[in-house]
Amino acid sequence: QVQLQESGPGLVKPSQTLSLTCTVSGGSISSGAYYWSWIRQHPGKGLEWIGYIYYSGSTYYNPSLKSRVTISVDTSKNQFSLKLSSVTAADTAVYYCARGGYDSYYYYFYGMDVWGQGTTVTVSS
Amino acid sequence: DIQMTQSPSSLSASVGDRVTITCRASQSISSSLNWYQQKPGKAPKLLIYAASSLQSGVPSRFSGSASGTDFTLTISSLQPEDFATYYCQQTYSTPWTFGQGTKVEIK
Repeated sequence: QVQLQESGPGLVKPSQTLSLTCTVSGGSISSGAYYWSWIRQHPGKGLEWIGYIYYSGSTYYNPSLKSRVTISVDTSKNQFSLKLSSVTAADTAVYYCARGGYDSYYYYFYGMDVWGQGTTVTVSS
Repeated sequence: DIQMTQSPSSLSASVGDRVTITCRASQSISSSLNWYQQKPGKAPKLLIYAASSLQSGVPSRFSGSASGTDFTLTISSLQPEDFATYYCQQTYSTPWTFGQGTKVEIK
C-alpha cells in the first residue's frame, strides 16, 4: 500500500527557509488520480492546509502563505517538497504530507486518504 | 475563504452512545465535505468523503449526511477507540479549509 514519509530539519532559524520532502512509496506520484498536499498543525491547534501539487506540476497555495510557499514535485524520485521562506516562530508546527483523490473529468477533489506520520519543525535561534 | 464551523467544540459521551457532530459551511460547497479522525500524536485519518461516502476500512458505525450547507458526522455506537478529535474539511473551493475540531471525550 502507498506510504508517505516526511523528512527534513527539525529546527530552523528565524528568517531562514524551511524545506521538507515527502517520499512516496508503494505507488507512483505520477498517477493522474491523485493530488499531493501539505498540511500543518500548530501545537495544540487545528489543521491548516498549505497547498497541493498535481503530478504535472500544477499547484495551488493557501493565500495566507502564498508569498512564502513553494511546492514542487520530482517524479524521478517519487517525491514532492515544501519550501517555506522567511520563517518565524509562528511557523513552528507539525507538518504533514498527504495524498488525495482527484477526478480530472469532474474537477472534483476527494479527501486525503493517505498521510505521512508528520514531522515537527521548530523555528528558533 | 469558506468558513467551516463545527459544533460542539467538545463533548463527553459513554461507550455505546450515539454521537453527532455538525459542520456548517459559510456558503454552498455541494458535497465536497470530508471528515477526519485524529488521535493524539497521530496523523488524521479519513473517515468520510463526499459528505456521505465511507472510506474503505472505516467501521460502518460512522456515517455522514448533508442538508444544504449543514453536514453531520454520526457515530452510531461509540467505541473506546473512537475517543479522538474530529475535523471536517471542504475541498470545494481553494483555499481548502478545516473546521476547528470536535474533541470527543470519555464521560
